[in-house]
Order: sequence, then structure tokens, then C-alpha cells
Amino acid sequence: QVQLQESGPGLVKPSQTLSLTCTVSGASINSGDYYWSWIRQHPEKGLEWIGYIRNSGNTYFSPSFNSRVSMSLDTSENQFSLNLNSVTAADTALYFCATGALYKGFNYWGLGALVTVSS
Amino acid sequence: DIQMTQSPSTLSASIGDRVTMTCRASQSFGNWLAWYQQKPGKAPKLLIYKASTLESGVPSRFSGSGSGTEFTLTISALQPDDFATYYCQQYKSYSRAFGQGTKVEI
Repeated sequence: QVQLQESGPGLVKPSQTLSLTCTVSGASINSGDYYWSWIRQHPEKGLEWIGYIRNSGNTYFSPSFNSRVSMSLDTSENQFSLNLNSVTAADTALYFCATGALYKGFNYWGLGALVTVSS
Repeated sequence: DIQMTQSPSTLSASIGDRVTMTCRASQSFGNWLAWYQQKPGKAPKLLIYKASTLESGVPSRFSGSGSGTEFTLTISALQPDDFATYYCQQYKSYSRAFGQGTKVEI
């Protein structure tokens, strides 16, 4: 059973970089079978897909984030990470990491990490 | 990028009702569509993938249909546990955009 867990600061100052890590168990991030993804959700709002990283290190981001986002893999820790720079209050949200088999969408999700952007 | 539009945004129903919600895409992408259920404060749960394949463990009252640009999720007889928000998502293109959701309320 694949399990995901988000970790990182719950409070980030405006203009700084939001950094979150997703620790994966039950699967290897070296596997080509998955897209390792980040999704966020503003309070009382819908799901917003941010982007994904493959085992090759290739990434694809939503155009809404393209200029501010990066993702990386840490194969030694079996983790993948999200960096979102130049944050504003509009980036305050619940951030999920998720993955799934390529033909399925996302059948594995973390519990989510609430990040507040405030001075 | 493919845009996903769900309707209605809110659906009022009663226990035992048959409910149907729709997801429309801005361009055709075959049947690479997933449906998720989300309850407040929880991560979404995959219900259906490839437009009509039920994820393991999901009750058979849930069903999905459609291909191309129009898809539906049907709950054959609404149960108390089904009051939640439902999202569609396409996963054919590089993008993995979600629809804006349909909230099923009493």
C-alpha cells in the first residue's frame, strides 16, 4: 500500500519561498509507473493541480504556476519536493501530494499540509 | 490546456435519490477521466478511472460514463455517506486539471 505524507513549515512570510516535502512509502520514486504530483486547495474552494515530477526528473507545471514553481526528487530519502517562490496571501492553502498508476489518476493522497502566508 | 467544467455546482438531493452530475472538457481526450469524492477536511478519494472503471472498494452504486468531451457520474441510490463534493479530472494530456466540483447536499 502506497502512503504519502507531506511535511514543511506551516507559516511562510510573503515574498519568501514555500517548501514542502512528500515522503513516500510502499513505492519507489524511481518507479516509472507514477506521476508524483502536488495539488492545493484554498479554504472552501476546489482542487487546483500544481504540477508533477517523473522518476526521470522531468516536470510539468500548470500554467498558473509555471514561473514560480519547481519540483525535485530525493531518491535517497524516497521523497519529492515542491518549491513555490514569491508567495503571497493568495498561496495560503491546504497542499496535498498525490500519485497513482499512470492509467488511473490519483489513487494515493497525503493527508495535506496547511500553509499560511502571513507576516 | 484542457479545461474541465462541472455542472451543477450544487445538487440538492434526498436519501435514495438517483443523482447525476456532468463534466465537460474543452477538447476531446478519449476516456482518460477520473472522478473523486471529497469530504470536508479530508483528502479526495478516487472513485472511478478511465471514465467508467470503478476503483477497488468503491460501492457499485457509483458509476461513470462518457468519452470525448462529456462525462457523467451517477449515484444510483444516494446514501448518507455520499453527501460530499465530487471532482472530475482528465489525465490524458500533460496537464492534470480538475473540474471546479459538484457539491451534493441534503
